[in-house]
Order: sequence, then structure tokens, then C-alpha cells
Amino acid sequence: AQKITQTQPGMFVQEKEAVTLDCTYDTSDQSYGLFWYKQPSSGEMIFLIYQGSYDEQNATEGRYSLNFQKARKSANLVISASQLGDSAMYFCAMREGPSGAGSYQLTFGKGTKLSVIP
Amino acid sequence: DTEVTQTPKHLVMGMTNKKSLKCEQHMGHRAMYWYKQKAKKPPELMFVYSYEKLSINESVPSRFSPECPNSSLLNLHLHALQPEDSALYLCASSQDTGNPYNEQFFGPGTRLTVL
Repeated sequence: AQKITQTQPGMFVQEKEAVTLDCTYDTSDQSYGLFWYKQPSSGEMIFLIYQGSYDEQNATEGRYSLNFQKARKSANLVISASQLGDSAMYFCAMREGPSGAGSYQLTFGKGTKLSVIP
Repeated sequence: DTEVTQTPKHLVMGMTNKKSLKCEQHMGHRAMYWYKQKAKKPPELMFVYSYEKLSINESVPSRFSPECPNSSLLNLHLHALQPEDSALYLCASSQDTGNPYNEQFFGPGTRLTVL
């Protein structure tokens, strides 16, 4: 079974609008971290935002926020006021603790390609 | 400074060549990683170094040989590669491997083409 599921292969958003990229995860671990990365066509994986499993508040970093719903095992990325430079592939990833099969390694979803329309 | 550097940016090599990819970080991180990424796919983990020792090898063919000369440097030596090894090779680092909350920082990658 997939540990990280991103159900939207591609998304379009109008410039200056907000967009939500979906991510659900599967783990039996109590301690885990959830991460979002942006990968432009240049190839670099850019770390955006992180949420720890014990964090009660949703993480925010500038225009990025993570909508963390632990009971539903979802960690959606919200980008507010989209810009043309936000066009990229976005990967959701999880790092489990010692009892997880991943054993601290980063497990990626398949990614969502976001295109921002002027 | 959250920078991981990689050289070269692009590499074209024949199947009989020997080449090396280099990665460097100065964040004091003790864990370093090599990933392989094919087009339109997520990165796949190849190797993990923890405190300069190889801790994970994800069944990577021996034509890929990693090396960690010190805590800041990570090399990937390439020999007798196949065309299907053409991919983006990403290096990453994190504070250590023993904490699920540590983020990994990635370098810009090396685009490898094997002819």
C-alpha cells in the first residue's frame, strides 16, 4: 500500500488565487514528520514546510500553510495568492520513526504538477 | 546557510567511462543521501550515510559506488553505466537520521545522460 497518496496529478490555478494540494498518508507510527517540497523544471527540490505529528497547530511559512488533520491522516498544502513562479511539481513526503517500515527515511508521494495561469 | 551544492550540473558519459558526482554541505549535518530521480517520478533513495558511515544501500548496482570522505562531502563514483541510468541525481543532507522531524535539504542535482 502506498504510504503517501497525492490524488491530483495536475492542477491549474489563476494567478493571485489560493490553491490546495492534497496529500494523505498511511502510518502506524505515533512519531512522524510530514514535509512538502517544490521542484521547478530546473530540478532542485526546495523544502517548503514541515509538520510534526505532535504539533497541534498547523504549520505556516509565508504564503504556504499545511492543513493537518491527524484523524483523517491528511496533510494538505495551501498556497495563498498564487504567483507565476509557483508553477512546479509539488511533492508531499513523510518521515516515520523507528517502528515505521521506512525507519526515518523520506517517503515521497507521486507529486502534483501545479500550473499558475496569468 | 541551508545550501547543498552539487557538481557538475550536467554530465554526459559513455558506457565505458568512469566519472564522479560531488556533493557538499556546510550545515554541520551528519546524514547525507543520494537519490535517483527519473522524469515525472518522485526521487528514489539510493544510499544513506550517517556519521560518515554507509548505513543504507537500497540494493543499488555496484556500478554506483558512494564515498563519504568527511562529514561535509559525499561522492558518487560511476563506472560502466547503462543508458537506463540516465536520470537526475540528487544529494541531500539532514541533521541526522535518528529523528523523524528533521527536514532534508536537497542540492540542485546533476543531470546525467549515459550514451
